[in-house]
Amino acid sequence: SAVISQKPSRDICQRGTSLTIQCQVDSQVTMMFWYRQQPGQSLTLIATANQGSEATYESGFVIDKFPISRPNLTFSTLTVSNMSPEDSSIYLCSVVRGVDREQFFGPGTRLTVL
Amino acid sequence: ILNVEQSPQSLHVQEGDSTNFTCSFPSSNFYALHWYRWETAKSPEALFVMTLNGDEKKKGRISATLNTKEGYSYLYIKGSQPEDSATYLCALKSGGSNYKLTFGKGTLLTVNP
Repeated sequence: SAVISQKPSRDICQRGTSLTIQCQVDSQVTMMFWYRQQPGQSLTLIATANQGSEATYESGFVIDKFPISRPNLTFSTLTVSNMSPEDSSIYLCSVVRGVDREQFFGPGTRLTVL
Repeated sequence: ILNVEQSPQSLHVQEGDSTNFTCSFPSSNFYALHWYRWETAKSPEALFVMTLNGDEKKKGRISATLNTKEGYSYLYIKGSQPEDSATYLCALKSGGSNYKLTFGKGTLLTVNP
């Protein structure tokens, strides 16, 4: 398995502000991802965080709104920019590890935007 | 766009009852089906990774089956306990070089003591 921590665990933010979420993994991993779950919706992939290069975004997600950093193989940040109430979600980071290429998830950051 | 459906959306059972839920997915370009258990404020916990048609996997009182030809997987819990209360997610991994998982909305299980 993988030990993944996220900061903050939750936050309440004002509309128009930005929040940076940190993800720390207990050992080096190649594949690292950011997901979100809006209320009543499925967990949805935002982007793949690439070490040493720009993140790869899924359809419907853009770098200006969700800038991602991946300075090394154990750490990544996701910023939710210029927030609106629609950004209220649980944000999770995820890594792939092991022979079976299982995906392991962090505990999530619960964001509420007022 | 892949469509992964889970049913029921929520379920209430009594302690000791056995229960099951369904995950339906498009059978074309299938690679793997993942089951997760997600308790509030905790990380989703990987339960099973299933790849072969007819696969049946078991972990304690929880088991899962897979039918890739008709596009469904069942998760069974035998003798439910209050600590089984959680959201159970299934996720499809399609063929390809990336590791993207497409999730269903989950089944919220509540086990009453």
